[in-house]
Amino acid sequence: QSALTQPASVSGSPGQSITISCTGTSSDVGGYNYVSWYQQHPGKAPKLMIYDVSDRPSGVSNRFSGSKSGNTASLTISGLQAEDEADYYCGSYTSSSTPHVVFGGGTKLTVL
Amino acid sequence: QVQLQESGPGQVKPSETLSLTCAVSGYSISSGYYWGWIRQPPGKGLEWIGSMYHSGSTYYNPSLKSRVTISVDTSKNQFSLKLNSVTAADTAVYYCARDRGGGCSDCWGQGTLVTVSS
Repeated sequence: QSALTQPASVSGSPGQSITISCTGTSSDVGGYNYVSWYQQHPGKAPKLMIYDVSDRPSGVSNRFSGSKSGNTASLTISGLQAEDEADYYCGSYTSSSTPHVVFGGGTKLTVL
Repeated sequence: QVQLQESGPGQVKPSETLSLTCAVSGYSISSGYYWGWIRQPPGKGLEWIGSMYHSGSTYYNPSLKSRVTISVDTSKNQFSLKLNSVTAADTAVYYCARDRGGGCSDCWGQGTLVTVSS
């Protein structure tokens, strides 16, 4: 059972927009602006897509955006493309017990 | 650009110690950042194991803390993971990663599968 809650799957058609949610608590997502999002294709290492809630690393498409409201963070992908089909994980810093990092269970994005 | 490469045994016996090393190229560990490990059991999600600041401070997942040690060797520009008393539940792909702070891993190794089996 993961510390952060994500939907198991989402889907969308090419060109559409989708949003993946990541729900935590005031000890993690809600308490700090340290939420990250990772994309993972089968058999590959995760790739950082969003950090510090809404910042994009150099080289990541501006079709990817992040936000947060209360204890829930969100990743939005606009203009869906076939290559966006992958697993997406959120991660957050947490101060619960001792400082560490927690992940969501992952969301499988299917591009129809 | 920064590259990370894991190395170590692909199979470990139950109750023994899992040991992995991550070689870093393109960046000097002693210059900064945190350096850590994340694992992924087959078909499952990511689990953060822990990280170490270049100067020596360590942070561990509370659920693994009693069994984990992360260390850094700046002379070889590499860092290591030791996980003792392993069981089948520790079978996973183990990734090393650079943590820019706040638990954000911006550079990852390709991962190495470690199977716990007799």
